[in-house]
Amino acid sequence: EVQLVESGGGLVQPGGSLRLSCAASGFTFSNYWMSWVRQAPGKGLEWVANIHEGGSGRYYVDSVRGRFTISRDNAKNSVYLQMNSLRVEDAAVYYCARDEYGGYFQEWGQGTLVTVSS
Amino acid sequence: QLVVTQSPSASASLGATVQLTCTLSSGHSSYAIAWYQQQPEKGPRYLMKFNSDGSYSKGDGIPDRFSGSSSGAERHLIISSLQSDDEADYYCQTWGTGIPKIFGGGTRLTVL
Repeated sequence: EVQLVESGGGLVQPGGSLRLSCAASGFTFSNYWMSWVRQAPGKGLEWVANIHEGGSGRYYVDSVRGRFTISRDNAKNSVYLQMNSLRVEDAAVYYCARDEYGGYFQEWGQGTLVTVSS
Repeated sequence: QLVVTQSPSASASLGATVQLTCTLSSGHSSYAIAWYQQQPEKGPRYLMKFNSDGSYSKGDGIPDRFSGSSSGAERHLIISSLQSDDEADYYCQTWGTGIPKIFGGGTRLTVL
């Protein structure tokens, strides 16, 4: 059974940092792109970033480029999202998703909540 | 600019059939899209993917009640024999080379 389990969310002040983690199991992690997708309270889904199977390619939505960094450790079957210079508008549930061929998302985690508030 | 558009809401009665529509922007009618279901307080669930030719394939374990059809720039998610737990938000999503993955605004389905 495929499982994606996010962790690392919490309350942070504007300008602060947070590192999200996603532990994957049930599939050959190193064969897949991975993405982070977020959902602000009461809003729709927004893709944030993805990373190539080997980590060589990383892509971001414009609103987080330069502030967020996606990375992965294939030995630990994990993908990470380092979030710096957080803004109030970054507050959301962050989902880890398995990215099929860099296109769509066949597997999702349950999400981790990030709250940005003073 | 690549955009996918969805109606904000839809409703249908228990046991009925409903069609939700995702419309690709002008000039992008051959793009692939995917549909997702998000039940209240849950993460999204993959339902199906439409290929550029309008054919589609469903995710593992998705009931036969869920099907799709395509017409021009429109990609339809059809749910038959509506059940109470079909009440959810439904999102479509598209993608392309060198551009961000794009979600529609979602359709909230109410089962009456």
